[in-house]
Amino acid sequence: QKEVEQDPGPLSVPEGAIVSLNCTYSNSAFQYFMWYRQYSRKGPELLMYTYSSGNKEDGRFTAQVDKSSKYISLFIRDSQPSDSATYLCAPGSNTGNQFYFGTGTSLTVIP
Amino acid sequence: GAGVSQSPSNKVTEKGKDVELRCDPISGHTALYWYRQSLGQGLEFLIYFQGNSAPDKSGLPSDRFSAERTGGSVSTLTIQRTQQEDSAVYLCASTLWGVGELFFGEGSRLTVL
Repeated sequence: QKEVEQDPGPLSVPEGAIVSLNCTYSNSAFQYFMWYRQYSRKGPELLMYTYSSGNKEDGRFTAQVDKSSKYISLFIRDSQPSDSATYLCAPGSNTGNQFYFGTGTSLTVIP
Repeated sequence: GAGVSQSPSNKVTEKGKDVELRCDPISGHTALYWYRQSLGQGLEFLIYFQGNSAPDKSGLPSDRFSAERTGGSVSTLTIQRTQQEDSAVYLCASTLWGVGELFFGEGSRLTVL
């Protein structure tokens, strides 16, 4: 079983739509939950970072973590063409090689 | 520097040749990671350096792959006798003390003909 499972998409939505991106993970030791955004031919950049179960909101983005079900979500409200990118979930822990990445979901927002 | 710097940005080589990829992490970051990203695939962990500790090499796919980090700063990933399946983007990332946000470079795109 992979450490992190993520639907690779691709996902295509009209501008203004609400987007839901999801991951599941298997290791209950994960303590950090991150979402990275990767534009074409660029390195990933951190989008959201949360430590615990619950919701964290930052502008149009909301990260949701449910540790009991090992489920991570990223919601994008009022999606924009500039949101078109690949989104990678990345849970992590405090020990050793800490960061495990999902395969990424490719999102296209159509104007 | 201001960010993680990787070179070369693109490398085309012939099968069987050796290649070296360089990563210059953010100044002061003690932890450095190498990842490989193939088309349509996620980030595959290769190797992790943390300060002066022995590196975690558990992700290196074969003994053709090696990496070193000199002086706790610059790192070089070496691939010997390259194969076509080595074609991928090799990403380097660094972080302070091995926790928190990973800062990525732009990657080195390797094509093996």
